[in-house]
Amino acid sequence: DGGITQSPKYLFRKEGQNVTLSCEQNLNHDAMYWYRQDPGQGLRLIYYSQIVNDFQKGDIAEGYSVSREKKESFPLTVTSAQKNPTAFYLCASSIGANREQYFGPGTRLTVT
Amino acid sequence: AQSVTQLGSHVSVSEGALVLLRCNYSSSVPPYLFWYVQYPNQGLQLLLKYTSAATLVKGINGFEAEFKKSETSFHLTKPSAHMSDAAEYFCAVSGDNFGNEKLTFGTGTRLTIIP
Repeated sequence: DGGITQSPKYLFRKEGQNVTLSCEQNLNHDAMYWYRQDPGQGLRLIYYSQIVNDFQKGDIAEGYSVSREKKESFPLTVTSAQKNPTAFYLCASSIGANREQYFGPGTRLTVT
Repeated sequence: AQSVTQLGSHVSVSEGALVLLRCNYSSSVPPYLFWYVQYPNQGLQLLLKYTSAATLVKGINGFEAEFKKSETSFHLTKPSAHMSDAAEYFCAVSGDNFGNEKLTFGTGTRLTIIP
C-alpha cells in the first residue's frame, strides 16, 4: 500500500538535545512538507520541499532544519534552539499540480 | 496572501441532525479549497476538494461542500450526523501561484455528536 510513514509515533527528549523525526513516502510525490500542530492553532508550515536537494522555509522555520537527499525521505531535525518544541508534528506530500496533500500519522514530541 | 477563517472552534449536534461547518476564505486568485478530517492522535484525511469544476463537491463519508464565490465561502455539510463523525475538521486554501503547493489551514472546528 502506498502512503506516508512517520516514526516514531511518540518521542521524548530532554531539553537541549537535538532530535530527528522521520518521514518516508512511497507515493512517488515530488513535494513534501512538515507542519507543527498545537491545540487551537491549526497547522503551521515549518519547511517544504518541491524537489530533491531543494527546500524552503515555511512560516515557523526557526529552530528546525531539514534535508531532502532522496525523493522518498524528508527528515526534520528539531534543534535545541527551538524554544517550545513540544508539539504534534505532521509530514505530508503532494504530487504537484492537483495540490491535495496526503498526511502521515504524525509524531508527538515531548521535551522536558 | 490567502487565508481561511473557520467560524466556531467547537460545534455540537445531535445524532441524526444536520452538520454544518463554516469556512470562509480569502484569495487573490481563483482558489483550490479543501476539507480535511482529523481523528485524535492521527494525521489528516482528505474529505473533499474544490478545483474550479462543479461548485457542489461531494466527498467521503456523506459529506459535501458548496463553493460560493460571492460569499467567499466553502461550508461543509452532512444531512445526518453519525457518532463516527466526531473529529476535528480543517478547511484549507491553495492558489496563490501556479506551482506553489502550499496550503493555508484554518484553525479547525471540533465536532461533537450528542447521542
